[in-house]
This record gives sequence, structure tokens and C-alpha cells, in this order.
Amino acid sequence: DTAVSQTPKYLVTQMGNDKSIKCEQNLGHDTMYWYKQDSKKFLKIMFSYNNKELIINETVPNRFSPKSPDKAHLNLHINSLELGDSAVYFCASSQSAGAGNTIYFGEGSWLTVV
Amino acid sequence: AQSVAQPEDQVNVAEGNPLTVKCTYSVSGNPYLFWYVQYPNRGLQFLLKYITGDNLVKGSYGFEAEFNKSQTSFHLKKPSALVSDSALYFCAVRDGKGGATNKLIFGTGTLLAVQP
Repeated sequence: DTAVSQTPKYLVTQMGNDKSIKCEQNLGHDTMYWYKQDSKKFLKIMFSYNNKELIINETVPNRFSPKSPDKAHLNLHINSLELGDSAVYFCASSQSAGAGNTIYFGEGSWLTVV
Repeated sequence: AQSVAQPEDQVNVAEGNPLTVKCTYSVSGNPYLFWYVQYPNRGLQFLLKYITGDNLVKGSYGFEAEFNKSQTSFHLKKPSALVSDSALYFCAVRDGKGGATNKLIFGTGTLLAVQP
């Protein structure tokens, strides 16, 4: 029973392509996130949605577009992929957006742009 | 602005010995502090958190962490290390001031290597 699941786990694609990563959580949480982990393992938030509304939007190229069709899903679409987009993308969720809530992470999606 | 520092890129410890992974933070409001562990090619697993109350927090797999307000630290500890504890450990902080738009900020990670 995976709490936060994301697909695909591995994705290799060519520069210029458009790709999507899907995420679903079965925890009944209100808040979902996308984090990016670069090659040096540094983790940084990209987006956060609370009850399907965008509440955090970091300085991310507008080629990245999150979509939350409902509270349990937060997908990430990336247009015109670049070499620098190669990273691990983590979906996560928490009960609510409050600071004390634990954020639970998915297993990650390894994106390689060639 | 909030920040968190993990001063050691790597910590080496022999199996059975106590371990400490260091973390210091900076926030303007009350700190909400978290530790996560990442095994190779896996996601982040939550270990423990400090919100309020007792400064010593106990978490998963025998780990604990001590919140020290005067030193703005939240070091992760375990009395007796196991080889299976070898992984990448992340400290993270969220500022209690500012509400839902406050971000969980991660340290740069500390690689724990436990030798048999």
C-alpha cells in the first residue's frame, strides 16, 4: 500500500521533448508538493498545492506546469526538456499546509535528458 | 529567511558505536525541525520531528534528536550504529511564522557510513 506513488520511476528522453510525471497519494492529505533533487543531492521545493490550489510556486521555468485534478493527484508536465532538467523529482504530501505537518515523499522519478 | 546547515558531508562510525549527525538552523519564528533518511535510489523516509515540548525527540529505527534552542541545533543521534543505518540523512526546517506558504528547507545532506 504505497502512500505516495509516482510514475514513471525512470524516464530517459531527448532534449526538446515534452513529458509528464504523475503522482497520487492515498493518505487523504490536503496538501501536495513537487521537489527536485539535483545531481549533488540538493533538495528544493518547486510547487505546493493545498486543496487543489497553488500556494507555493518557486522560481521555476514556466516550462514546468503542475496540474492538480483533485486533492489526491498532482501531476508535473515539463515542456521542451533541457539537459539541465535531468534530476530526481519527488512528489510528496502532508495532512495540511501547516508548518508542523510531516511531509511524506514518494519514491522519486529519475529523469534523464539526453 | 530560514536556512539549515549540515556541516559534515560524511560521518564515519564503526558498528556498535554511537553516532551523531549535526544540524543547525536559522528561522525568524518558531522552528519546526525534521530529519529524513534517503537510501540509495529511494525516496526520503521521515525519521522524526520537533514541534514543541520535550527537547529530546525519539523517532524511527532507534534514532533520536535533541533540540537546543540556544545553540540553534537539532543533532541526530543513535546509541549504537548498525551497518544498515548507512544512508544519506537530511535535516530540514520550516519556519512557524508565515503559515502555509512557508517552505520546508533542506540541508545539504550528510552521508553516514557505518563500518562493520
